[in-house]
Amino acid sequence: DTAVSQTPKYLVTQMGNDKSIKCEQNLGHDTMYWYKQDSKKFLKIMFSYNNKELIINETVPNRFSPKSPDKAHLNLHINSLELGDSAVYFCASSLGTAGTGELFFGEGSRLTVL
Amino acid sequence: AQSVTQLGSHVSVSEGALVLLRCNYSSSVPPYLFWYVQYPNQGLQLLLKYTSAATLVKGINGFEAEFKKSETSFHLTKPSAHMSDAAEYFCAVSHSGTYKYIFGTGTRLKVLA
Repeated sequence: DTAVSQTPKYLVTQMGNDKSIKCEQNLGHDTMYWYKQDSKKFLKIMFSYNNKELIINETVPNRFSPKSPDKAHLNLHINSLELGDSAVYFCASSLGTAGTGELFFGEGSRLTVL
Repeated sequence: AQSVTQLGSHVSVSEGALVLLRCNYSSSVPPYLFWYVQYPNQGLQLLLKYTSAATLVKGINGFEAEFKKSETSFHLTKPSAHMSDAAEYFCAVSHSGTYKYIFGTGTRLKVLA
């Protein structure tokens, strides 16, 4: 039973299109995150939600819109895709007091924009 | 502001040799420190974490790390490398009260037969 699952695992699309990535966790955690990993493996936080409330929005272009319908789900919608959006997007979750618990990661969604 | 520096983007060791991956952090408040491992085409998996309970932290797969406040370091070690240890390793820092986990740039470990 996968703890943090993301779909789809791979997306290949054209510039200008819109795409969504879905994330679900079955760990009962109350905080979820989106991280972007670029081609050099650098991991950068994009968003964090706690109990469906947006906590962190790390100067991400407003073409990126996260949505948390409930504590177990955090989706990422990207409008007007650009070449620079090509990356691996990781969903993660954590439990407990902010900053003290480990992050549990999904397997990633590799987005390629042509 | 917090930050993490991992010295050495690539480290090669022989099978059976000591593994040492370096991590230095910067934090104005007591940090929580983590080491994660990423195998190809997979997500990150926790190896170990420091939460102020003990300065020497033991993790999975024979890895351990020592928190040294005076050196602001949290280096990862393993006495004897296995081929299966070849992966990307990330150090991360956070502190209580923030949801912002900051990751280092990663170190790719190569294990030579």
